[in-house]
Amino acid sequence: EPEVTQTPSHQVTQMGQEVILRCVPISNHLYFYWYRQILGQKVEFLVSFYNNEISEKSEIFDDQFSVERPDGSNFTLKIRSTKLEDSAMYFCASSYSNSNQPQHFGDGTRLSIL
Amino acid sequence: QKEVEQNSGPLSVPEGAIASLNCTYSDRGSQSFFWYRQYSGKSPELIMFIYSNGDKEDGRFTAQLNKASQYVSLLIRDSQPSDSATYLCAVNGLLRGGATNKLIFGTGTLLAVQP
Repeated sequence: EPEVTQTPSHQVTQMGQEVILRCVPISNHLYFYWYRQILGQKVEFLVSFYNNEISEKSEIFDDQFSVERPDGSNFTLKIRSTKLEDSAMYFCASSYSNSNQPQHFGDGTRLSIL
Repeated sequence: QKEVEQNSGPLSVPEGAIASLNCTYSDRGSQSFFWYRQYSGKSPELIMFIYSNGDKEDGRFTAQLNKASQYVSLLIRDSQPSDSATYLCAVNGLLRGGATNKLIFGTGTLLAVQP
């Protein structure tokens, strides 16, 4: 069964450094998402991406965050200058179509900011 | 403020019993409803989705939706110890009256199935 893959599984970074989290969505999916989950808290929406542009973003997704689809398969989340509070699990998800279609999640990247 | 509410549990049921998980949502215009299972330290795994009022069955799982009461539930029949996990209810967001792809998650209900 096709799946969303994320790399790395764990990223440890010094505060203030840039990180790039990578995702390969399911190949025929058109919509891509990033969510995060701080330990013990809810899964929170960050951003959705369709047709090479952001379709919606949350208040969390400020100027420090950016997303990109650099080629036909990868989808990346960049955090420019990491803060301690960015420590969380980051999940990439994809769906074939719009809001009626279920989103399939990758295994996540655990981001630890020191 | 759009909210999805779930009882955090734990909900403890004996093996073989029916587990009933409940979720309420605040935005009457929500259209799509999803149940995900999340094992500790793992990612959300899609279990069921439902769009229309009524019941939808898939194997041991039944999702129930009542839009008038803004209530969605998940029944797990013949519960197994391997079903022990956190069950997340998610609802699609709305923007200017239209459905969006953003999922709004509840805090999840921890289910413990006792052998």
